[in-house]
Amino acid sequence: AQKITQTQPGMFVQEKEAVTLDCTYDTSDQSYGLFWYKQPSSGEMIFLIYQGSYDEQNATEGRYSLNFQKARKSANLVISASQLGDSAMYFCAMREVNMFSGGYNKLIFGAGTRLAVHP
Amino acid sequence: DAMVIQNPRYQVTQFGKPVTLSCSQTLNHNVMYWYQQKSSQAPKLLFHYYDKDFNNEADTPDNFQSRRPNTSFCFLDIRSPGLGDAAMYLCATSYKQGAYNEQFFGPGTRLTVL
Repeated sequence: AQKITQTQPGMFVQEKEAVTLDCTYDTSDQSYGLFWYKQPSSGEMIFLIYQGSYDEQNATEGRYSLNFQKARKSANLVISASQLGDSAMYFCAMREVNMFSGGYNKLIFGAGTRLAVHP
Repeated sequence: DAMVIQNPRYQVTQFGKPVTLSCSQTLNHNVMYWYQQKSSQAPKLLFHYYDKDFNNEADTPDNFQSRRPNTSFCFLDIRSPGLGDAAMYLCATSYKQGAYNEQFFGPGTRLTVL
């Protein structure tokens, strides 16, 4: 069965510094996708970045980058130049593709990491 | 802007009193999902619709039902809410095909059971 592990319940970072949030995954599938979502206290899940298992380059989106190490089955999120507004819960998720249901993508979430950015 | 809308944002119900949460989308996506997220936990998929086809997760209690009358709307019905059903309920949508199938989430409905 697929599984996502986020080993850091909470992280602290100083404003303007970079921070890495860890994510490891377990799957026997060759084709899969990895997502990072941000959830502020308001509750909405905000998509940050996506990495496909066949992508050769690490994904980047503005201040977010994904350090994808396929052999180690890790997909760590790097946030550069942290801002106070980055304080939130961060979830790593894996897309499980059910080919028998037209290819819908079920997301398996990790337990999340709560990030606090200090001024 | 195209988006996923959930109403109400906050819902209070009494123990055992049926409640319905609604979700609508302007993205014209084929797939709609309902997640339950309890405090300090990851979202847990309850079920999803692929067009009109309903797919229930194996461990979703029978107390939870869903309806999708058309592409734009999807409802979550809790027939007899218990105290343990207090949670954030998140609706999400995705396009059915393509290697990149990001799920777009609504703002959630926070359910309180008294």
